[in-house]
Amino acid sequence: SAVISQKPSRDICQRGTSLTIQCQVDSQVTMMFWYRQQPGQSLTLIATANQGSEATYESGFVIDKFPISRPNLTFSTLTVSNMSPEDSSIYLCSVGARSPYEQYFGPGTRLTVT
Amino acid sequence: AQTVTQSQPEMSVQEAETVTLSCTYDTSESDYYLFWYKQPPSRQMILVIRQEAYKQQNATENRFSVNFQKAAKSFSLKISDSQLGDAAMYFCAYRSLGAGANSKLTFGKGITLSVRP
Repeated sequence: SAVISQKPSRDICQRGTSLTIQCQVDSQVTMMFWYRQQPGQSLTLIATANQGSEATYESGFVIDKFPISRPNLTFSTLTVSNMSPEDSSIYLCSVGARSPYEQYFGPGTRLTVT
Repeated sequence: AQTVTQSQPEMSVQEAETVTLSCTYDTSESDYYLFWYKQPPSRQMILVIRQEAYKQQNATENRFSVNFQKAAKSFSLKISDSQLGDAAMYFCAYRSLGAGANSKLTFGKGITLSVRP
């Protein structure tokens, strides 16, 4: 299994500002996933991040709003830019296991935009 | 594209009783994985159980078992001897085999389970 940490665990931000969320894994992984979970809702994939290449974004999410960095095989950041109250969510980092194909999640970052 | 449907938004069970959470999915693939994840108020996603589509035998993990009906594309979770700590949001999820460990998960909307003492 993989142990994943995220920073910050929570934050309250003003609209129009940006927040960068960090995700650290205790082992090298090829792909990292970023999910958004709006209040009381399910998880929606924002993008997948492969080391050394541009992140791949899901429909409805764009790089200008959610830029992602993946500088090495154990670390990634997600930035939520020009925030609005609609961005208030839990943001989760995740990695996939090679076998038996389960996926591990970080503890999440609870973001509140006022 | 695959879809996962959890039609029950909430369920309640008496402590020590058994409860079944429903999930259906749609896919054109023949090989895939299905999962049930638990998310307590701490918001940490915890894997409860997984099922490989090529296995006919239903997966079991202690008090948790699944009823996997591949032809019907149904994947329900049974929790036996329910405990107060089982209260959480439960998500059904689908994962393709195609990209191996790099495949993303597709989640259902989730169901909130409450346990009555």
